[in-house]
Amino acid sequence: AQKITQTQPGMFVQEKEAVTLDCTYDTSDPSYGLFWYKQPSSGEMIFLIYQGSYDQQNATEGRYSLNFQKARKSANLVISASQLGDSAMYFCAMREVASNNAGNMLTFGGGTRLMVKP
Amino acid sequence: NAGVTQTPKFQVLKTGQSMTLQCAQDMNHNSMYWYRQDPGMGLRLIYYSASEGTTDKGEVPNGYNVSRLNKREFSLRLESAAPSQTSVYFCASSEIFLGGGSGNTIYFGEGSWLTVV
Repeated sequence: AQKITQTQPGMFVQEKEAVTLDCTYDTSDPSYGLFWYKQPSSGEMIFLIYQGSYDQQNATEGRYSLNFQKARKSANLVISASQLGDSAMYFCAMREVASNNAGNMLTFGGGTRLMVKP
Repeated sequence: NAGVTQTPKFQVLKTGQSMTLQCAQDMNHNSMYWYRQDPGMGLRLIYYSASEGTTDKGEVPNGYNVSRLNKREFSLRLESAAPSQTSVYFCASSEIFLGGGSGNTIYFGEGSWLTVV
């Protein structure tokens, strides 16, 4: 079963407007973490923001915020004041403890391609 | 601040050839990972090493082998390359997760583009 689902394969947003990228997840582990990564056309994976399952407040990092709704198992990324440089693929990922309890496992969604229009 | 370094960045192989992707991290992390990313898709875990001396299969391990040479280095080997292994390969590293909700960033290399013809 899909553990991380990103239902928006592609999105457009007007420059300077806000945009929300959706992510839902599935886990039975009470302790987990959710990441968002940006992948520009150059290919590297750039860490944006992290939310732990026990964190009481939604994570924020500059123009990025994470709308964490634990009961709905969703962790949407909100980008405020979009810039042309925000055009990229965005991946949601979930960290769980490995089955042998020895380390991290990171599972990725299929990604959303964001295109910012001038 | 090198972080995670992968080599080579680009490689073209013929079907049946072998090659090794090298990865090194300078952050003293315990856990290291190899992922592959196919066009238009997210990353899928091939193998991981939770700590020096241990390796485990991920989601798509067939056709690959790994070696955790020491704490810094984690290599991925294709013994007999197939066109289905054409992909972008990412190495990553992180500290060992000990439980709880604390943040624990996973750092990625810049990727290695592999084409098998």
